Amino acid sequence: DIQLTQSPSFLSASVGDRVTITCRASQGISSFLAWYQQKPGKAPKLLIYAASTLQSGVPSSFSGSGSGTEFTLTISSLQPEDFATYYCQQLNSYPYTFGQGTKLEIK
Amino acid sequence: QVQLVQSGADVKRPGASVKVSCKASGYTFTNYGISWVRQAPGQGLEWMGWITPNNGNTNYAQKFQGRVTMTTDTSTSTAYMELRSLRSDDSAMYYCARDYGSGGSVDAFDIWGQGTMVTVSS
Repeated sequence: DIQLTQSPSFLSASVGDRVTITCRASQGISSFLAWYQQKPGKAPKLLIYAASTLQSGVPSSFSGSGSGTEFTLTISSLQPEDFATYYCQQLNSYPYTFGQGTKLEIK
Repeated sequence: QVQLVQSGADVKRPGASVKVSCKASGYTFTNYGISWVRQAPGQGLEWMGWITPNNGNTNYAQKFQGRVTMTTDTSTSTAYMELRSLRSDDSAMYYCARDYGSGGSVDAFDIWGQGTMVTVSS
């Protein structure tokens, strides 16, 4: 199985900050990577797919990059509603695995 | 609007089975696969498997092979996930999600159900 490791696992930041979350795959997955946002008690929400394509309706403050084994999710200017947990997911091969999550908290 | 609506919370005894439903609306059910993902309390996301409604093909995570069955009813646009021989560590929120992609590949899960909490307790 392909392992995904996110860093950091916890991130404390302020409104207006620029933050970056990294996702590393244990083997190459081309660009078959998605990013999700999850708030407490809610289902995950798709932000980015194919490593860098913004899902319709997602603010342009979110961006994704990378290919192969290293990927990043960047939020250019944090808004209050962005404080949540973020997960990466690989869809290159079964089983489709997720990273362990990054919890973004208000400083 | 496009949505997936899941069945309500359930409580089961160890060793029992649970069947969760996921009703799709707002799109052509047979055009998209459905995946099932679970999340134990305070934990991360775990993919369980996938089914394609147009022909019933499935792919299960090895961890659940032999214990899980995913099915669909195209007449009601509903997907089902049955998990057998339940243990306490199967207590989790279970989500269905629509596969999104093009050119024969799946790029992401774009629509999620609201989740179904399954509690396994004696």
